[in-house]
Formats: sequence, structure tokens, C-alpha cells
Amino acid sequence: NAGVTQTPKFQVLKTGQSMTLQCAQDMNHEYMSWYRQDPGMGLRLIHYSVGAGITDQGEVPNGYNVSRSTTEDFPLRLLSAAPSQTSVYFCASSYFYRGIDTIYFGEGSWLTVV
Amino acid sequence: GQQVMQIPQYQHVQEGEDFTTYCNSSTTLSNIQWYKQRPGGHPVFLIQLVKSGEVKKQKRLTFQFGEAKKNSSLHITATQTTDVGTYFCAGRRSYNTDKLIFGTGTRLQVFP
Repeated sequence: NAGVTQTPKFQVLKTGQSMTLQCAQDMNHEYMSWYRQDPGMGLRLIHYSVGAGITDQGEVPNGYNVSRSTTEDFPLRLLSAAPSQTSVYFCASSYFYRGIDTIYFGEGSWLTVV
Repeated sequence: GQQVMQIPQYQHVQEGEDFTTYCNSSTTLSNIQWYKQRPGGHPVFLIQLVKSGEVKKQKRLTFQFGEAKKNSSLHITATQTTDVGTYFCAGRRSYNTDKLIFGTGTRLQVFP
């Protein structure tokens, strides 16, 4: 049971390049989300999904795209990277049971845009 | 939009002292969750509170959810160096389908 797996763990991009951060979970969770965390800051929600085929914007969606074609995968795409997107990115998945939702985070992807 | 603020932003304590962080939401929440993040690590789920006025304990940690379901607190009794990290609250307005918004976090440093 791998939990939530994020790749890559570290990435350096040049301004204007595109890339995709991968996120996969093997727990059959319906809810998945992406957060970014800037140094010394809290987590800000980028996009989230309540199930396959359904996505919605979070607090800071600009510059990012997502899709959810399967329950397991929730990739985050940066179409044209900017230095302001330098951050640590966390993917999370969760399930709901008897009124409680339990959330699991991936280990993070450190992205630097130069 | 929904905002979740935490105070204080930083707290330095001597080992053995108590610590409290407060979480305040601009909107009523269906539940409140607490996470701990060690330096360089990812957030780890601690607990969830769903009922108005609810109090839960985990060993030296006590969690409270306010009567109006807009605020919460985490209290650590007799801190230890292993308590070092950043503590985040997070809340949803609606159960199950709404986005989970994180608070600004409180960074705890414990000196031996």
C-alpha cells in the first residue's frame, strides 16, 4: 500500500517551460487535491476533485490545470512556469466514513522556476 | 472568500511549558481538522472535530471546537522537544463536497 505518491520530488524549470506534477493514490479515495506551500507559509489550495471527471478551483488556481480521468490519478500541469510558482507542492487524497474524513498527504514536490 | 487565521504565528517555549494555538474562521465550518508538519516534512493528520463545543484529547494534546463552529484551539500540556513543528488547522464549510482550507499555521519551537 503506497498511499499517495508524488513525482518528481525535485524539479528545476526555466521560465516559460511546462511540466506536469504527477499524483497517484492506491486507496480508492474519491477526494483529491493539490496545495502549494511557500517558505514559512501555510498551505493554499490550488485545485481539487470530488471524483473522477469532476474538478474545481481552489484559492490560487491561476497558472495551473488539472484533470481527473481516473480515481487514482490527479496530475497538476503548469503550462508556462513563472518564478512565482517556485514552491513546494503537496497532493492529498481523502475518504469520508461516518462523518469523518481522513486525509493523506504525499511527501511533496519541490519546484524551482528560474 | 473563506479565510482561516491562526495565532500566534510563532511560539518559542521552554520544554515543560504549555502551548496553545488558536484558529478562527470567517465562516461557519462543518468540521475542523488539525495537522502537524515537521520541518521539511508533509502535513500529518492529527484529529477532526465535528460537533459544536466538542473537546477531544490525545495524550498531552487537547483540541476544542467552538460553540459557533467558527473557532478552534489546540493546547499542548508540558511540551517536549518532539512537539517541534508547525500546527495547522483546516476546515470545510460543507461536509464531503467542499474544499478544505488551511489556516496560516503556528510554528512551535521547544528549547530543552
